Order: sequence, then C-alpha cells, then structure tokens
Amino acid sequence: GQNIDQPTEMTATEGAIVQINCTYQTSGFNGLFWYQQHAGEAPTFLSYNVLDGLEEKGRFSSFLSRSKGYSYLLLKELQMKDSASYLCAVVDSNYQLIWGAGTKLIIKP
Amino acid sequence: ETGVTQTPRHLVMGMTNKKSLKCEQHLGHNAMYWYKQSAKKPLELMFVYSLEERVENNSVPSRFSPECPNSSHLFLHLHTLQPEDSALYLCASSQTSGGSYNEQFFGPGTRLTVL
Repeated sequence: GQNIDQPTEMTATEGAIVQINCTYQTSGFNGLFWYQQHAGEAPTFLSYNVLDGLEEKGRFSSFLSRSKGYSYLLLKELQMKDSASYLCAVVDSNYQLIWGAGTKLIIKP
Repeated sequence: ETGVTQTPRHLVMGMTNKKSLKCEQHLGHNAMYWYKQSAKKPLELMFVYSLEERVENNSVPSRFSPECPNSSHLFLHLHTLQPEDSALYLCASSQTSGGSYNEQFFGPGTRLTVL
C-alpha cells in the first residue's frame, strides 16, 4: 500500500527553528508537495521538490532525499502566524497525489 | 472574486435532507476536485473532473453525487447522508489533472455536520 508518515503535532517557540519530517512509501515518485493549512482555511502551496536537495524560499526550506523516501520542511525565525497544519503529499507513478495526515504546528511565545 | 470559492461555508443537515455544495474557480483551470478532510486523517480524494468529464471516482458512496456543468463550476449533491459523513469538504482546481508538477489551488471548504 501507499503511505505517508508525518508527526501528528509539534510545538516550537517563537523565533526558533523547527523541522517537520515526512517519510513516504509509494508506488513510484514524481514529486513531493508541502502545503500549509490554517485552521478553518484552505490549504495553500508552500513548495515542490522533485530532485534531491534543498529548496529555499525565504524563511521556509524543503529538502528531499528520494533514495531514503524522506523530506522535511524547515521553518526559520518562527512567527505566531506559522501556527498551522503542514501537509506533505507525494505524486505517485500514476500522477495521483497521496496525502499525509498533516502535522499540526503550535508556536508558543 | 479570485481563486477558488465554496458555498456554503457551514452546513448542518439531517440524514433525510438533500443539499448541494458549490465550488467555483476563477483561475481558468481545466481540472477540479472534491476532497473529504476528517480530523487527523489524510485528505481523501473523492472525485476528479478534467474538462468537465469525470476522470476519477474513488469508490465514493452513491449518496454523494458530483456535477460539473462547465470547467469553472463543480457541485456535490448530498442525500441521505450518515453522521460519519460529517467532515470538511474541500474543492480544488489545477491547470490539468495529470503531470508531476500539478499544483492544486484549494477553496476554504464547507464544514458539514450530519445530525
């Protein structure tokens, strides 16, 4: 079967750095997405990785290792508005999106 | 209006009611999706439409009936639902329904409660 694993919940402090991990076992791989979803709102696109390595976009970076079936989202200089759920999704061999259950990130002052 | 809009935002219905959820995208996309989002579970893809034709139906019970009259509008007709159908129903759109880089744009969802 296909599976995406993420921690259910994480807590971090304002101004700090947090890393949210995502491991996957899917039938093929054609890319990995990270989305952010604030409570009661729509998921919004954060990043897309298809090649190994780190993609940096401002305070957010996303890393991919295809050989390890592993990705992480790195958030720096955390702000209270970063409190949200972070969804990992993999594009499989049929170009279907396989979603993780999301990681709820709580930022404390 | 910009992006993807959904109405209503909240809906409470009894098990014998019939109601419809509406989604509209203003992005000129060719593909539209219905997802079910339950607490602490992955997004469940329900239906995919590409150029107004249904291309995917993930074993969804017949009490959920989608309709796509044109590439900008998508409906989900609901009848005789069960309490376990209570969830957030998200609509999304993308440029196409396939391909590796296929960013989906989501609406804010309809929070459905079935009594």
